[in-house]
Amino acid sequence: GNSVTQMEGPVTLSEEAFLTINCTYTATGYPSLFWYVQYPGEGLQLLLKATKADDKGSNKGFEATYRKETTSFHLEKGSVQVSDSAVYFCALRANTGNQFYFGTGTSLTVIP
Amino acid sequence: GAVVSQHPSWVICKSGTSVKIECRSLDFQATTMFWYRQFPKQSLMLMATSNEGSKATYEQGVEKDKFLINHASLTLSTLTVTSAHPEDSSFYICSANLAGAGGSTDTQYFGPGTRLTVL
Repeated sequence: GNSVTQMEGPVTLSEEAFLTINCTYTATGYPSLFWYVQYPGEGLQLLLKATKADDKGSNKGFEATYRKETTSFHLEKGSVQVSDSAVYFCALRANTGNQFYFGTGTSLTVIP
Repeated sequence: GAVVSQHPSWVICKSGTSVKIECRSLDFQATTMFWYRQFPKQSLMLMATSNEGSKATYEQGVEKDKFLINHASLTLSTLTVTSAHPEDSSFYICSANLAGAGGSTDTQYFGPGTRLTVL
């Protein structure tokens, strides 16, 4: 079946620290992979995506590379800001249908 | 970008009553919308896929008579929690697909969610 596992939080970092949020997946076939972000009081927003192996998604300084060999899609940012404080969800979309499968979410707090 | 709204954002009801939650795509048409349920500190769980003009498709373990879904138009889907009980208290989130020019539907836009508390 399809599932996503991401590291548990909460994660607290100082401003300008390096961020990694691990995400691994199980899927049949070749899924598309996504990172969504949920800011306080708002809905989920697409942060970045990758649709095939070795693709790198990037946005707002965040990056994630689709690694088929390790079934991973880890989220990274070189220097986090206070405004990055949010909950981050890793997700996959199976290659058949439009269903998304989400990880449990990782809460990130960046302190000045 | 595309915007999806939900109403209400927070509802408190008595046990045994029914609650309707609306999901609207504000600036695009959505032939397909999705309803998720999110428990504290847990992931979003897909409940059902709502298709305009046809019956919703429910995930395994979701009671279709309990969670009634109506996709009356290309911009509106409603979720009605019937005879709500305290265990139905949760955060309900809808999303809608935005199809690209090439027919790609892999971008979902999420509503802000509705928090339901059943007393």
